[in-house]
Parts: sequence; C-alpha cells; structure tokens
Amino acid sequence: GAVVSQHPSRVICKSGTSVKIECRSLDFQATTMFWYRQFPKQSLMLMATSNEGSKATYEQGVEKDKFLINHASLTLSTLTVTSAHPEDSSFYICSAPEGGTYNEQFFGPGTRLTVL
Amino acid sequence: RKEVEQDPGPFNVPEGATVAFNCTYSNSASQSFFWYRQDCRKEPKLLMSVYSSGNEDGRFTAQLNRASQYISLLIRDSKLSDSATYLCVGGLNDYKLSFGAGTTVTVRA
Repeated sequence: GAVVSQHPSRVICKSGTSVKIECRSLDFQATTMFWYRQFPKQSLMLMATSNEGSKATYEQGVEKDKFLINHASLTLSTLTVTSAHPEDSSFYICSAPEGGTYNEQFFGPGTRLTVL
Repeated sequence: RKEVEQDPGPFNVPEGATVAFNCTYSNSASQSFFWYRQDCRKEPKLLMSVYSSGNEDGRFTAQLNRASQYISLLIRDSKLSDSATYLCVGGLNDYKLSFGAGTTVTVRA
C-alpha cells in the first residue's frame, strides 16, 4: 500500500511554544490530506482537511488560528500547533487518500505531542 | 450523539475462540464503511472494507446492515496477534471518515 510519513514522531515542548508537524505522501500525490487528533482511549477526531493550493477546511470547534495548516505541495502538508498548552497534548495523525479504492486512506505513523 | 458508536469492550477471549462485535452509525448518508485495526500507540491500519453483501477476508467477516445502520465484525479462530483495538469507520463521498472509539479485543493463550 501507499506510504505516508510524519515527522517528528514524538515531541515534548514547553507551554507557549509552537510545534510544526510534517505529513508526507512518499510514493503518491495527495491533493487532500486529513489531520486527526486522538486523546487516550478516545476515537480519532477529524480536525481539518488540508487542500493543496487552497485554504484548509476546519471542523467545528477547531480553531484555525491555533492549528495552522499549510499544504504547499502535492506531497506535503504541515500542521503547526501555535502557542501550545498542556491541553493540546495528544496524538496527531495525518492521512491521505491515494485514489483508486474509494475512500481508502493511508495513515501516517502519528506524532505524539506532550506540552509541559 | 456520536456519528459512530461502538461497544468499547474489552472482549477477552481464549485463543481459537470466535469473537464478534457491532457498531452503529447515525449518518444515513455514509457511503462506505471500514474496519481499521489500531495497536497501542500506533496509527490505524485498514483491516477490511465492508460491503453491503457482506465480505470475508480469511478469518475476518464483516457485515453491513443499512436498514438498521449497523456494521459487524466477526473474528474466527482468534490468534494472540489479533489483540488490538478495532475501529469502526464510516465514510462520506468527500473522503471524510468518522471513527468510532474502538472495541478492544484481548486474546489470551
């Protein structure tokens, strides 16, 4: 199957700093990517849809000024958590549909963010 | 109300047993359905798509009941390696996926 990478896999930062997470499709192009967040023992919650060449679409309740998304190329989307706080500590996962099989998506390995 | 609801379990079963569980979805516009598997602290991996006619992949059988809006997964001849959290997922035609919170299965020796 297709491969999606994420970097970094783990980050620990101080409260108030900004953290950038990269999501790359390694062997296919993705005009659309998705960013999810998962708190312990909870489901993945879609945060936003990242669209290459245009603004991201955010789900209800997700602050676009806090979670900045940039989809600068067909293989790269970035999520920046600005002024991170302890409540932002979570597992952030991106995904991308490869096309072909309808709606099949490939997930990155996730980034575990801990804000102290 | 959550779009996709699952029994969180856990289902603790011995090796070789059969285990089955369901999930329900509320959005009747959902067009595609999947079961994903998620191991602890890892990303979800697609286990199988779910078709209206029901489908089987080795020891795994999935069923979809659109009238009642539920999806099921049955695992036969459970292996230790089947221990994981199984995520029920519904998809709309814009690639957006709605995840259930997962059903935990533990297979014991």
